[in-house]
Amino acid sequence: DAGVIQSPRHEVTEMGQEVTLRCKPISGHNSLFWYRQTMMRGLELLIYFNNNVPIDDSGMPEDRFSAKMPNASFSTLKIQPSEPRDSAVYFCASSNSLGDRGRRETQYFGPGTRLLVL
Amino acid sequence: AQSVTQLDSQVPVFEEAPVELRCNYSSSVSVYLFWYVQYPNQGLQLLLKYLSGSTLVKGINGFEAEFNKSQTSFHLRKPSVHISDTAEYFCAVSDRWIYNQGGKLIFGQGTELSVKP
Repeated sequence: DAGVIQSPRHEVTEMGQEVTLRCKPISGHNSLFWYRQTMMRGLELLIYFNNNVPIDDSGMPEDRFSAKMPNASFSTLKIQPSEPRDSAVYFCASSNSLGDRGRRETQYFGPGTRLLVL
Repeated sequence: AQSVTQLDSQVPVFEEAPVELRCNYSSSVSVYLFWYVQYPNQGLQLLLKYLSGSTLVKGINGFEAEFNKSQTSFHLRKPSVHISDTAEYFCAVSDRWIYNQGGKLIFGQGTELSVKP
């Protein structure tokens, strides 16, 4: 398996521009997570989806951030307009539920997208 | 709500020495506990997890952790570290019900382990 795939790996943009980060989860996984990692705040969960439905978006910083999961194999995290304080590494992770009474598998992380907003 | 505190932000240690990375959690419900490792410029990788059963959990690369419910701790240990263990280590907690429904993890701030020759 190729693991969780994220693109781009690096993104440099100017303040005010729209940024779109992409994630392809591991095939067969039904949960997807977006995290943000900064020196100041550590690793924060932004939003996660279960069966393509957003379950908890309480970590999304503000309305400039939006995430979608149109199908089981693709998700996007969009920032519009971007600001310098959005500079961070954004990770996508996926996992699989084994059913209501079963145990959830480990979360597998992608390599991350390193975003720099100038 | 759960929270995780990693008591040391940086731990320098010499090669072949033992190491312990400390993690304490706060929760009013039963939890699952995890340790992840992040090598430079990479994503996080699971080291080990405690779901139930034996409180001593063994993971990859010779690491182990012990769940102590009374002290709400889940410290990570390795008896002899290698240069290649240099990385950042994250402790994470999840409410059991929430984890099985959706898998949400709460991460600590991380501990940077630096192994010197």
